[in-house]
Amino acid sequence: GAGVSQTPSNKVTEKGKYVELRCDPISGHTALYWYRQSLGQGPEFLIYFQGTGAADDSGLPNDRFFAVRPEGSVSTLKIQRTERGDSAVYLCASSPMEASGRVGKFFGPGTRLTVL
Amino acid sequence: AQRVTQPEKLLSVFKGAPVELKCNYSYSGSPELFWYVQYSRQRLQLLLRHISRESIKGFTADLNKGETSFHLKKPFAQEEDSAMYYCALFSGGYNKLIFGAGTRLAVHP
Repeated sequence: GAGVSQTPSNKVTEKGKYVELRCDPISGHTALYWYRQSLGQGPEFLIYFQGTGAADDSGLPNDRFFAVRPEGSVSTLKIQRTERGDSAVYLCASSPMEASGRVGKFFGPGTRLTVL
Repeated sequence: AQRVTQPEKLLSVFKGAPVELKCNYSYSGSPELFWYVQYSRQRLQLLLRHISRESIKGFTADLNKGETSFHLKKPFAQEEDSAMYYCALFSGGYNKLIFGAGTRLAVHP
């Protein structure tokens, strides 16, 4: 079956612009995660959704970052007033249950964001 | 503080040699640890979990609570093992993974 998909695969924007990154999780997966991976680093947690609600947004770096999952499936990560330091690969992952750490997460291919 | 440390950025070995990718963690509770792998131009994928005590593609990892380590081992490396390997700690109630910085394994013919 289809895995987690993310669009776009690459996004180049200018400093100060607004961007939206989309994630389509595996059908039926209730848990959805966003991670950010900077060059030379491992993925860093941003936000976790259980259904439609953000159960843990403690990883969002500041209020320029926001994410939604209005119908409990597709999620959009929104970044306002982008800065060069936002350049990274943004990864989405989904899992079939809330206690999903025990079954592992399925990652998407990522969106590479470059802020000029 | 919860933390995962992978001290080696690059591990370079010849085909058939043993491999050990090091991972140390810091966690106050009972840890659950994972190894993820990313092959070239592929997505991050789960390799193995310590609770399963499994061997995947010849790799094993044993949790050593005394040394707070979860090293990944393989007795005979293959060229197709070349990839980025990430050790990750499950952060329990917060339901998130804490990743190490990763180690690139390069297996030469």
